[in-house]
Amino acid sequence: KQEVTQIPAALSVPEGENLVLNCSFTDSAIYNLQWFRQDPGKGLTSLLLIQSSQREQTSGRLNASLDKSSGRSTLYIAASQPGDSATYLCAVMDSSYKLIFGSGTRLLVRP
Amino acid sequence: DAGVIQSPRHEVTEMGQEVTLRCKPISGHNSLFWYRQTMMRGLELLIYFNNNVPIDDSGMPEDRFSAKMPNASFSTLKIQPSEPRDSAVYFCASSFPGQGASTDTQYFGPGTRLTVL
Repeated sequence: KQEVTQIPAALSVPEGENLVLNCSFTDSAIYNLQWFRQDPGKGLTSLLLIQSSQREQTSGRLNASLDKSSGRSTLYIAASQPGDSATYLCAVMDSSYKLIFGSGTRLLVRP
Repeated sequence: DAGVIQSPRHEVTEMGQEVTLRCKPISGHNSLFWYRQTMMRGLELLIYFNNNVPIDDSGMPEDRFSAKMPNASFSTLKIQPSEPRDSAVYFCASSFPGQGASTDTQYFGPGTRLTVL
């Protein structure tokens, strides 16, 4: 059974810092890995999708990497801003096309 | 585009009552997903539809839960009878029929916060 783990559960950093969020999964048979952002009381917004054949994806200040063989992904946020404060969720699409989510990392960027 | 629309945004009901949650996917999307989010269990897929047909309902917790998609622009998730442990945020998401399921990004609605007293 696929399990997705995110570390740390919470992170607080001063504005301007570069930071890394970690995601690990137990079964490497995935179609893709996705990073989402969730603001309090809101739905999820897709940030990046990495297909299983890819190693990384970039969007603005965000860079996500995927190492399928080791079951790991990282989300790198450069020059963090208070507006980046949110919960970040990692999800893998398993062999039955279902998204399996991690429990998230709650990020606070202090001004 | 208005995005995925869910109603109601908040629902408070008493144990034993029937609850119906509604979802309108993004126009043109052919896959629709229902998720439940709780502090204890995180975000879990309950059921998903492709072209209005239920494909996988293995996440539906018990017979009290049922979902329908009568047409491409509307879906319901019904709980009858409701119990306090059903209290959660229920999300609906839809995806665009791209090059294949592995490339499809899911677009989430704002969720319905359900409280069963």
